[in-house]
Amino acid sequence: DIQMTQSPSTLSASVGDRVTITCRASQSISSWLAWYQQKPGKAPKLLIYKASSLESGVPSRFSGSGSGTEFTLTISSLQPDDFATYYCQQYNTLETFGQGTKVEIK
Amino acid sequence: QVQLVQSGAEVKKPGASVKVSCKASGYTFTSYGISWVRQAPGQGLEWMGWISAYNGNTNYAQKLQGRVTMTTDTSTSTAYMELRSLRSDDTAVYYCARAVEGDLGYYFDYWGQGTLVTVSS
Repeated sequence: DIQMTQSPSTLSASVGDRVTITCRASQSISSWLAWYQQKPGKAPKLLIYKASSLESGVPSRFSGSGSGTEFTLTISSLQPDDFATYYCQQYNTLETFGQGTKVEIK
Repeated sequence: QVQLVQSGAEVKKPGASVKVSCKASGYTFTSYGISWVRQAPGQGLEWMGWISAYNGNTNYAQKLQGRVTMTTDTSTSTAYMELRSLRSDDTAVYYCARAVEGDLGYYFDYWGQGTLVTVSS
């Protein structure tokens, strides 16, 4: 099974900050990686697929990069609506999620 | 617009079974698979399995093999997930999600609202 490891687990930031979350795969997954945002009591929302493709309707301050085993999600200027938990998910072989990164208010 | 609407919350005793439904609308049901993902209280997301709405092929997470069955009813555009021999650690919110094909796996572009299943004696 492919394991996904996110870092950090929790991130404290302020509105306007540039935020970067890292996701590492236990083996190469090419670019078969998605990122989701989840708010308390709500279903996850797709942000990025194929490592760097922005889902329709998602603000351009979100971007994804990477390939192989190391990936990043960047929020260029954190907005109040962005405080949430973020998950990466590989879909190279079956599907596995990272453990999540909570972005909280500093 | 694409919508996935799930059935309501359930409370079950250990050893019982639960069947959760997921009614799709706004797209051609047989053009996409449906995956099920669960989330235990305060925990992360766990992929449970996938079903093709086109031909009913399934793929289940190894840890749930033998306890889970996923089916679809194309006449009503509804997917179902049945979990048997429930244990307390099956307590979770269960989500259905529309599966978009990648290489050998899928990502999820639309999600249901979630169904809380509580297993308690």
